[in-house]
Amino acid sequence: AQSVTQLGSHVSVSEGALVLLRCNYSSSVPPYLFWYVQYPNQGLQLLLKYTSAATLVKGINGFEAEFKKSETSFHLTKPSAHMSDAAEYFCAVTPRDGYSTLTFGKGTMLLVSP
Amino acid sequence: EAGVAQSPRYKIIEKRQSVAFWCNPISGHATLYWYQQILGQGPKLLIQFQNNGVVDDSQLPKDRFSAERLKGVDSTLKIQPAKLEDSAVYLCASSLRGTPTSGETQYFGPGTRLLVL
Repeated sequence: AQSVTQLGSHVSVSEGALVLLRCNYSSSVPPYLFWYVQYPNQGLQLLLKYTSAATLVKGINGFEAEFKKSETSFHLTKPSAHMSDAAEYFCAVTPRDGYSTLTFGKGTMLLVSP
Repeated sequence: EAGVAQSPRYKIIEKRQSVAFWCNPISGHATLYWYQQILGQGPKLLIQFQNNGVVDDSQLPKDRFSAERLKGVDSTLKIQPAKLEDSAVYLCASSLRGTPTSGETQYFGPGTRLLVL
């Protein structure tokens, strides 16, 4: 069975600082990997996903993530945080050999201070 | 293009009552998912439909939860009777095919926030 671990339930950064949200997966075969963002009282919105050989994935709103097989990681980064980035971020996986059922991590709340 | 629609957005009920949620996926999407998101946790899949057939309902508490997707379009999730621990946000999502090896995107609705008193 596959699983996802997100380190840190809360991450605080200052506006303009680097954002780093950590995600590690557990799977015998590298899965497809996703990052979703959830704003208050809204559904989840896809930021980016890894489904191919390109290990550095660029997403919306200036976010990117790098798939590292040796570290079983898919950390999300953004060079410069903006106040509007404050939200909850979820890492998720889906197997390559089954139906596209997403398994989510517990989420990381990003707090951005002025 | 219209997104995934859900109703109601909020619902408050007493324990042992019944409640139903409705979801209309993006037009043409074959696969529909219902997730339960308890406060402080990530969404957990309850049931997945491929057209009007069930693909995965292994985590659906079948003694109290039921779901249907008649005609392979919109779907209803029902809880009867509700328990306190059912308080959560119920998210509906859809994807174009949901087939193996696709890695395709799931599109989420705004969710229904349920409070059981």
